[in-house]
Amino acid sequence: GENVEQHPSTLSVQEGDSAVIKCTYSDSASNYFPWYKQELGKGPQLIIDIRSNVGEKKDQRIAVTLNKTAKHFSLHITETQPEDSAVYFCAASSMYSGGGADGLTFGKGTHLIIQP
Amino acid sequence: DGGITQSPKYLFRKEGQNVTLSCEQNLNHDAMYWYRQDPGQGLRLIYYSQIVNDFQKGDIAEGYSVSREKKESFPLTVTSAQKNPTAFYLCASSIFYQSYNEQFFGPGTRLTVL
Repeated sequence: GENVEQHPSTLSVQEGDSAVIKCTYSDSASNYFPWYKQELGKGPQLIIDIRSNVGEKKDQRIAVTLNKTAKHFSLHITETQPEDSAVYFCAASSMYSGGGADGLTFGKGTHLIIQP
Repeated sequence: DGGITQSPKYLFRKEGQNVTLSCEQNLNHDAMYWYRQDPGQGLRLIYYSQIVNDFQKGDIAEGYSVSREKKESFPLTVTSAQKNPTAFYLCASSIFYQSYNEQFFGPGTRLTVL
């Protein structure tokens, strides 16, 4: 089965600086890579995702890059703000061309702390 | 508002008792999932259901059971066979017919075994 490794487990950055969280995956069949943000006591919320047919995707201050050859993908947050403080999870999954659902395999999470 | 609801938010159980966690969605999603979250462990898949009256075991199904009698509902029963049930439980759903797997999560239920 799929195995997703996520680093670092904790990341502290100064407000306004950039933050980078990295993940690797093991199953070359994985082709969908979402990132979730979880605030304390709440369920995770999708913030950005990328599919294996693209190498990079941006949404305002957030970007994700994918290197299929190396089987790793990263989340980049620029101009960090206090509200970015949360736990971030990467995940991997195989999408089936004929439709179909499968569970995501999640990394263990990164606790991002934005220092004022 | 469309979304996923889980109840209760906090649940306490005595050892040896079964307990059922509720999950309801009004997003008209075909697929639903249950995850368990432990500190430092990320999210681990317990069960998932692609369609009504069908469900599949995930990575850690032992000691758990589910049913999917209605599209909107996917309750999870934590049985006395689950050795370490204290955890945060998350329910999620996703659209089935589209060939991607964006999942929407509920707010979670924190289960504590006394």
